[in-house]
Formats: sequence, C-alpha cells, structure tokens
Amino acid sequence: SQKIEQNSEALNIQEGKTATLTCNYTNYSPAYLQWYRQDPGRGPVFLLLIRENEKEKRKERLKVTFDTTLKQSLFHITASQPADSATYLCALEKGGSYIPTFGRGTSLIVHP
Amino acid sequence: DAGVIQSPRHEVTEMGQEVTLRCKPISGHNSLFWYRQTMMRGLELLIYFNNNVPIDDSGMPEDRFSAKMPNASFSTLKIQPSEPRDSAVYFCASSSGGQPQHFGDGTRLSIL
Repeated sequence: SQKIEQNSEALNIQEGKTATLTCNYTNYSPAYLQWYRQDPGRGPVFLLLIRENEKEKRKERLKVTFDTTLKQSLFHITASQPADSATYLCALEKGGSYIPTFGRGTSLIVHP
Repeated sequence: DAGVIQSPRHEVTEMGQEVTLRCKPISGHNSLFWYRQTMMRGLELLIYFNNNVPIDDSGMPEDRFSAKMPNASFSTLKIQPSEPRDSAVYFCASSSGGQPQHFGDGTRLSIL
C-alpha cells in the first residue's frame, strides 16, 4: 500500500519568508497529488492539484512541484503571513481510483 | 453555496451506546466519503460511496461500524456498540466526477 511521509514536526518561520513543506511517498506513482489546508476544528480545504505529467503548479502565493523520480512533492508559500498558519496535508490518488490517500500533515506556524 | 453539512458537531456518550453521525453532501456531488482522523493515524478512509452505492468499505474497522446512503442527499455512519477507542473526529466529504473533495467540519466523538 502507499506510504506517505510528511514532516511531523511543526515548521516555524518568520512572516515574509517562504515556507516549504515536503511530501514523500513510496510504492506506486500517483496520477494526481493534492494539497489541502486544515485549520483547528475544521475540515481540510483543497488548495492545489498537480498531475504526474506536470512539474509545477502555481496559484497566487502557492507553488507545488512534483518530482516522480524522487517521489516527492514540495509545497511553497511565498511571502508567508500569520494567517497561513495551519496544518497542510498532501493526498495522493492512483489513476482512476478517485480515492486519495492522505498524509498526516505538517503544521506551519508563521510568526509576526 | 452550502458546503458539506455534518451533525452533530460534538458527541459525548458512554461506552456501549449506539452513535449515529449524519452527513449532507453538496448538491450534485455523486461521491461521498467517510473519514476518521486521530493524532496517531491521521486521516483514514472508512468508506466511499458512488451514486449512493458503497464502492470501497475496506477501511471500516469492524462489524460495529456501518454506513448507509439512502439517497443522494444524506448519509449516516453508525457505531454500535461504541468503544472508547472509537473516539476521534469523523469527517464526511463529497466530490463530483473525480474532482477534489469538499469536507464538512467533522463530528468530534468522545466515548467515555
């Protein structure tokens, strides 16, 4: 079965810096990789999706990369703000399954 | 637009009691997912419905858990009898045509 690794330690950064979160996986290469944001007491909220044939995807201050050779995705938030503080989950989906497998998430704390 | 609606938001009950969690998916979505989230295991898929039919229930822990989707706008997850180890946050999510999932805000379940 697919194993997904996200750093369990919280990432602390200063406001204005770029936050970089890592998602590593084993076994099969997913057809899609998604990133979600989860705030305390709330459900995850979808942010970005990247396909296996895409190297990079951007949305405003967010950027996702996907390296199928390294079996890794990086999630970047540029010009970070305290409001970006949350837990970020990556999710991998095998082609045609419509069932993503979620990592356990990494907590990001942006200090003013 | 109304998102995925879950009820109740919090449930505290004694071991052995029956627990019923409810979910109303987003109108027009044909896929519904039930997840359980704990600190130890992260977000785990319990069951996936497509067009009201259970497609994958391999994540349902044991026979004490059951889920139904009698129509496109309603689903229940039932635990009978409940045990302390069932304490977790239970999320419902819906999607359409393989698009990213929309999550409800969860039910925080505590079994004493």
